[in-house]
Amino acid sequence: QKEVEQNSGPLSVPEGAIASLNCTYSDRGSQSFFWYRQYSGKSPELIMFIYSNGDKEDGRFTAQLNKASQYVSLLIRDSQPSDSATYLCAVNAWGSDGGSNYKLTFGKGTLLTVNP
Amino acid sequence: GAVVSQHPSRVICKSGTSVKIECRSLDFQATTMFWYRQFPKQSLMLMATSNEGSKATYEQGVEKDKFLINHASLTLSTLTVTSAHPEDSSFYICSARDHRVGLAGEQYFGPGTRLTVT
Repeated sequence: QKEVEQNSGPLSVPEGAIASLNCTYSDRGSQSFFWYRQYSGKSPELIMFIYSNGDKEDGRFTAQLNKASQYVSLLIRDSQPSDSATYLCAVNAWGSDGGSNYKLTFGKGTLLTVNP
Repeated sequence: GAVVSQHPSRVICKSGTSVKIECRSLDFQATTMFWYRQFPKQSLMLMATSNEGSKATYEQGVEKDKFLINHASLTLSTLTVTSAHPEDSSFYICSARDHRVGLAGEQYFGPGTRLTVT
């Protein structure tokens, strides 16, 4: 059973601080990793993805991947109240035939609250 | 780019009726679309993978005769909830994979359809 684990939170940070969101996954064969943001009552919005070990930066967001530790994280710099949302970690699951059918396995999400 | 629409955004129906939800990729072709369901304060649950021109692949525990999926074109997939009951009330969200740039397998989500069965 492929699993993606996230701390449910809530994670509360002051405005301007760095928010750190973490995710672990069980399937060592996973290839691609995604961070989505979901506001209450809305559908998920893709923030960024990563598939190579190391860091990937996009504006205020940095995704970090460590395949050896099966760990992926998202850092949000200069956090703003508008960043308050649930952050979903998703992992590309491979099909039983060894090929990718691009199904994503989602974690349950971490609720982030940025306090003004 | 990579915009996905859903219609309707909200629907209320009576128990026993059927409801059709449309999912469209507006600026790209999507040979693969996905249907999810999300109950309040829970994570996304994948219901099925919809492939253009072929039968959908349903996840374990999802009734294929109750949730009919059709993916007749490269930009449209539909989900029909047949004989809906109050327990089918949920937030239904579709997603699509943009094959032009989706090398990592990223999916773009539609805005969702909130179904209430009375």
